Amino acid sequence: DSGVTQTPKHLITATGQRVTLRCSPRSGDLSVYWYQQSLDQGLQFLIQYYNGEERAKGNILERFSAQQFPDLHSELNLSSLELGDSALYFCASSAERSSYNEQFFGPGTRLTVL
Amino acid sequence: AQSVAQPEDQVNVAEGNPLTVKCTYSVSGNPYLFWYVQYPNRGLQFLLKYITGDNLVKGSYGFEAEFNKSQTSFHLKKPSALVSDSALYFCAVRENSGNTPLVFGKGTRLSVIA
Repeated sequence: DSGVTQTPKHLITATGQRVTLRCSPRSGDLSVYWYQQSLDQGLQFLIQYYNGEERAKGNILERFSAQQFPDLHSELNLSSLELGDSALYFCASSAERSSYNEQFFGPGTRLTVL
Repeated sequence: AQSVAQPEDQVNVAEGNPLTVKCTYSVSGNPYLFWYVQYPNRGLQFLLKYITGDNLVKGSYGFEAEFNKSQTSFHLKKPSALVSDSALYFCAVRENSGNTPLVFGKGTRLSVIA
């Protein structure tokens, strides 16, 4: 158990809908990362937050947004969902005082868009 | 831009034999290198990392990796494979300066046959 929790485990929704994925980092970790894992694209970095502020952006679509709250949990919002958004979404956390800190991954949320 | 290549989609090895999972990387400066493992329906688990110093890095579950700067490689090795090592392995890299994200390879599926 990495100490990172994600809810829900599974999410099934329809095209055009909006969903929110939630992540709680390991105790004491200030950085939260979001990744999308799909069969054709592999593991893609979406966005990073550090202590409530956006720190780095990767291949995140404009339909997607995220935030990190004062208690350090994070939410990833996916809107106007398309079939191609079906994937595993992982959250990871790290202490991130230095860029050599390893990231600890949650179990993921499997999103299915029908 | 950073990139990681895992040239083998699949590696098959007999139980008890040594295993190698290959990884090559590209960064502008000096790298921080990581290996993660993903078991079915689980998040990624950190195995080991290279930051600086000794080129041979030892990690969890008997795995080790050798950093080779001239060949820009960071191959994962284990002297004697176990059936329980069967999983998806990811190599990842980030530059050791600035706030660059962690970039993952596409993953290599290791199958250890009894």
